[in-house]
Amino acid sequence: DIQMTQSPASLSASVGETVTITCRASENIYSYLAWYQQKQGKSPQLLVYNAKTLAEGVPSRFSGSGSGTQFSLKINSLQPEDFGSYYCQHHYGTPLTFGAGTKLELK
Amino acid sequence: QVQLQQSGAELVRPGVSVKISCKGSGYTFTDYAMHWVKQSHAKSLEWIGVISTYYGDASYNQKFKGKATMTVDKSSSTAYMELARLTSEDSAIYYCAREGNLVCLDYWGQGTTLTVSS
Repeated sequence: DIQMTQSPASLSASVGETVTITCRASENIYSYLAWYQQKQGKSPQLLVYNAKTLAEGVPSRFSGSGSGTQFSLKINSLQPEDFGSYYCQHHYGTPLTFGAGTKLELK
Repeated sequence: QVQLQQSGAELVRPGVSVKISCKGSGYTFTDYAMHWVKQSHAKSLEWIGVISTYYGDASYNQKFKGKATMTVDKSSSTAYMELARLTSEDSAIYYCAREGNLVCLDYWGQGTTLTVSS
């Protein structure tokens, strides 16, 4: 199975700041990488797929990049609604696997 | 609008089985495969498997073979997952999620909390 390693595990930031979360795959997954946001007590929501394609309705302050084994999710000008947990997931065949998550907290 | 409505929380005894449902609405149910995902504090998010809502054939994560069985009822646009021989390790939130572009999970159910306790 492909292992997905996310960093950092947690991150504190203020409204208006820019943050970056990284995800590393244990083997080449080309651009088959998705990012999800999960708020406390809610289901995960798709943010980005195919490494850099924003899902419908996702604000442009979110951006994804990377290919191969190294990926990142950047959030520009953090808004109050952006705080929560973020997960990467490869979609290069099955079994799908997820990163352990990054908890983004308000500083 | 697309909605996946899951069945309610379950509190069950060890050793029994439980069946969770996931009803799709707002789209053509059989046009999209359905995945199931487990979320626990210990293991974060784990992919259980996927079922074709049109053909009914399923593919499982090796870890969940023998534990989970996925089925669909096209007439009611509902997917089901049965979990067998429950232990405390199965206590978690279980989500159904629709497969969108390129095997991404574009819509998720609200989750079903399963608690296995004597």
